[in-house]
Amino acid sequence: DAGVIQSPRHEVTEMGQEVTLRCKPISGHDYLFWYRQTMMRGLELLIYFNNNVPIDDSGMPEDRFSAKMPNASFSTLKIQPSEPRDSAVYFCASSFVSFYGYTFGSGTRLTVV
Amino acid sequence: KQEVTQIPAALSVPEGENLVLNCSFTDSAIYNLQWFRQDPGKGLTSLLLIQSSQREQTSGRLNASLDKSSGRSTLYIAASQPGDSATYLCAVNTGRRALTFGSGTRLQVQP
Repeated sequence: DAGVIQSPRHEVTEMGQEVTLRCKPISGHDYLFWYRQTMMRGLELLIYFNNNVPIDDSGMPEDRFSAKMPNASFSTLKIQPSEPRDSAVYFCASSFVSFYGYTFGSGTRLTVV
Repeated sequence: KQEVTQIPAALSVPEGENLVLNCSFTDSAIYNLQWFRQDPGKGLTSLLLIQSSQREQTSGRLNASLDKSSGRSTLYIAASQPGDSATYLCAVNTGRRALTFGSGTRLQVQP
């Protein structure tokens, strides 16, 4: 298995632009998680899905952030409009049945200028 | 609310030393605990997963222990090598809000 695949690896955008991050989970995994990592706050859970259904989005910082999982093999995290304080590394992770280990993607490093 | 603390925040040791990284959590009602390694600018690599019913897990030179009642886990690294230099993250799964991470221990192994 290729693991959890995220794209793009790096994204530089101007303030106010829309940004879309993509994730392909491991085949057969039924949980998908989006995390954000910053120096100040460490790793924070943004949202997670179970069987493509959002279960907990209380970590989404504000309405500018939205996430979708249209099918079991694809998820997106969208920021519109983007702001400099959104600059961080965004990780996607997947798991089977949640109580087993998580597998993380390589992350997307987002820079908003 | 689950809180995870890792001590020390940073550690520098000479090559060959055995070392222990500590992780503590406030809510003992956990399903499992996972140790990750993160190299600079990279993603998280899973090292060991301990289920709540287990006391320890071993993989090569790594051994992780879990004491749920006291809210503690340790990661033991035997005969450390420069290639072990990385940030080590402890994460707890309580089933309610997915994994809660500690802030990590940054390890530097000097050749």
